[in-house]
Amino acid sequence: QQQVKQSPQSLIVQKGGIPIINCAYENTAFDYFPWYQQFPGKGPALLIAIRPDVSEKKEGRFTISFNKSAKQFSLHIMDSQPGDSATYFCAPSGGGTSYGKLTFGQGTILTVHP
Amino acid sequence: NAGVTQTPKFQVLKTGQSMTLQCAQDMNHEYMSWYRQDPGMGLRLIHYSVGAGITDQGEVPNGYNVSRSTTEDFPLRLLSAAPSQTSVYFCASKPGLARDEQYFGPGTRLTVT
Repeated sequence: QQQVKQSPQSLIVQKGGIPIINCAYENTAFDYFPWYQQFPGKGPALLIAIRPDVSEKKEGRFTISFNKSAKQFSLHIMDSQPGDSATYFCAPSGGGTSYGKLTFGQGTILTVHP
Repeated sequence: NAGVTQTPKFQVLKTGQSMTLQCAQDMNHEYMSWYRQDPGMGLRLIHYSVGAGITDQGEVPNGYNVSRSTTEDFPLRLLSAAPSQTSVYFCASKPGLARDEQYFGPGTRLTVT
């Protein structure tokens, strides 16, 4: 089942650019919307997350925008740096007895050129 | 705190062999889970546990067994390895059922020939 669709699959930007990664979901019971960052050879790590009671959250250079009616949320990286080159996953969860099980998107490979 | 640890880091198996992937966490987390990561498919949940003695199936459980005899350990067993199980396996944990941040281990890269 394709509950979570992430786009684009890959993204190349220059240093200082603002890459935007999108995530669309189907399950209206989701109530936790995180983005995970993964470097090669490492496990994913939580980058930033939002709850549905707010439409935007900013932490440093990373911002999540959330559109509940469209069932979409996005990750924006301001002033991107080569060190931001990684794979990014959306992984919404929540609802009932889900115990917070994550449903991962397919991933976006971000490359930031110096 | 070591966090979530996994062993081995790499493993090559022949079709039909069995093995156990080890996962341990020292954060006293209630919830633990296993994911597999395949190119272009994100991470898919294999099995999870909400506490010692309690396990349940995820999205892709076939061919895998788990048990949770202690809070710290959550091993994943491959009973009869198949080439389709070639993947990178991640173990994750989180403090409880109400807190949602999951902490991932470094992964085990498994190749089945």
